[in-house]
Amino acid sequence: NAGVTQTPKFQVLKTGQSMTLQCAQDMNHNSMYWYRQDPGMGLRLIYYSASEGTTDKGEVPNGYNVSRLNKREFSLRLESAAPSQTSVYFCASRLAGAANEQFFGPGTRLTVL
Amino acid sequence: GESVGLHLPTLSVQEGDNSIINCAYSNSASDYFIWYKQESGKGPQFIIDIRSNMDKRQGQRVTVLLNKTVKHLSLQIAATQPGDSAVYFCAEKSSRSGGSNYKLTFGKGTLLTVNP
Repeated sequence: NAGVTQTPKFQVLKTGQSMTLQCAQDMNHNSMYWYRQDPGMGLRLIYYSASEGTTDKGEVPNGYNVSRLNKREFSLRLESAAPSQTSVYFCASRLAGAANEQFFGPGTRLTVL
Repeated sequence: GESVGLHLPTLSVQEGDNSIINCAYSNSASDYFIWYKQESGKGPQFIIDIRSNMDKRQGQRVTVLLNKTVKHLSLQIAATQPGDSAVYFCAEKSSRSGGSNYKLTFGKGTLLTVNP
């Protein structure tokens, strides 16, 4: 099993450009999450999807949109990138119910100039 | 408000010593506390969790202690090894955040450096 995979690993954008970060998991997990991590900060939840067909806002959703394409895939879109969105983005998945273990991908390092 | 913080941003220990990483929380409604390890350039990795009705939980070389009176938890690593060098995050799950609304709040992290 590959676990949680993310593409791309690195990306540089200019202010105003758009892009989609891709995430896929092969563990048949129900819930998926997008976090951002800034220097010296913990992870902050952007959006999450409790199950296929549902998405909800997290702590810092402004400037982002998500799509739960199917059970495996959960993408994060930046419609008009801003320098404040420079960060490392992590996707995670979780089985369901009371399970506390989230499985994280390797991250996407995004720089917005 | 809900927040999870750490007493020390960095911790340096000698190989073979025991490490103690501390975390303070403010949300009395948390029903689970979870520790994650993040190695450089990688995503966080689950270590262990503890339910709020427990005081102690042990795993392989790790022990979590929870003191609800002072809203403090700690992660103890026995016989620390160079491979334990990483950033350690505590996270809390609110009892109001369950089922389809499951969410975690992460602390800022402690950098553990193990000296050979």
